[in-house]
Amino acid sequence: AQSVTQPDIHITVSEGASLELRCNYSYGATPYLFWYVQSPGQGLQLLLKYFSGDTLVQGIKGFEAEFKRSQSSFNLRKPSVHWSDAAEYFCAVGARQAGTALIFGKGTTLSVSS
Amino acid sequence: EPEVTQTPSHQVTQMGQEVILRCVPISNHLYFYWYRQILGQKVEFLVSFYNNEISEKSEIFDDQFSVERPDGSNFTLKIRSTKLEDSAMYFCASSERDMGYEQFFGPGTRLTVL
Repeated sequence: AQSVTQPDIHITVSEGASLELRCNYSYGATPYLFWYVQSPGQGLQLLLKYFSGDTLVQGIKGFEAEFKRSQSSFNLRKPSVHWSDAAEYFCAVGARQAGTALIFGKGTTLSVSS
Repeated sequence: EPEVTQTPSHQVTQMGQEVILRCVPISNHLYFYWYRQILGQKVEFLVSFYNNEISEKSEIFDDQFSVERPDGSNFTLKIRSTKLEDSAMYFCASSERDMGYEQFFGPGTRLTVL
């Protein structure tokens, strides 16, 4: 079955500390992988995506993610968290074809403490 | 920067009533999608639409739901007879056709069924 697992429901990080959000997926074909961020009351904003090539991808707002095929993982990282990063983060997987569904994980809520 | 827009931002309706949620996708995009997010849960795919036909739909998208592109710019989701469990945030998204697509999401419509 196709699925995305985000094992951490809620993470609290101190401002300035590093962050890693975990994502594991199960998908029959070679997937496209995405991280979206959702601030309260807002829509989904794409942080970064992996389609092919370099397995370390850079995104907006200083985020990066690494695709590890052997571990079926696509973890999101940021070296220094800012208070404005507090939000909900969703990992998603999709087929290499437009028009197909994205499958989302349940999300990880990030809180940032001062 | 082009963006997906959705109206209304919040809709309240009585159980059994019909609702139409409206979306204006990005103008040069060819694929359109609806997703929903029940409060506190993950984002779930409903349907994708291309060339005036449904490309893919989920089990959630039953006979109560329909989609339409009534003109060259709007994309609508109709729920024929709303149920309490239809209360959710509904997101519209659009994407290009080519490989390396990404889905751009609108801000969502919060539907409350009383």
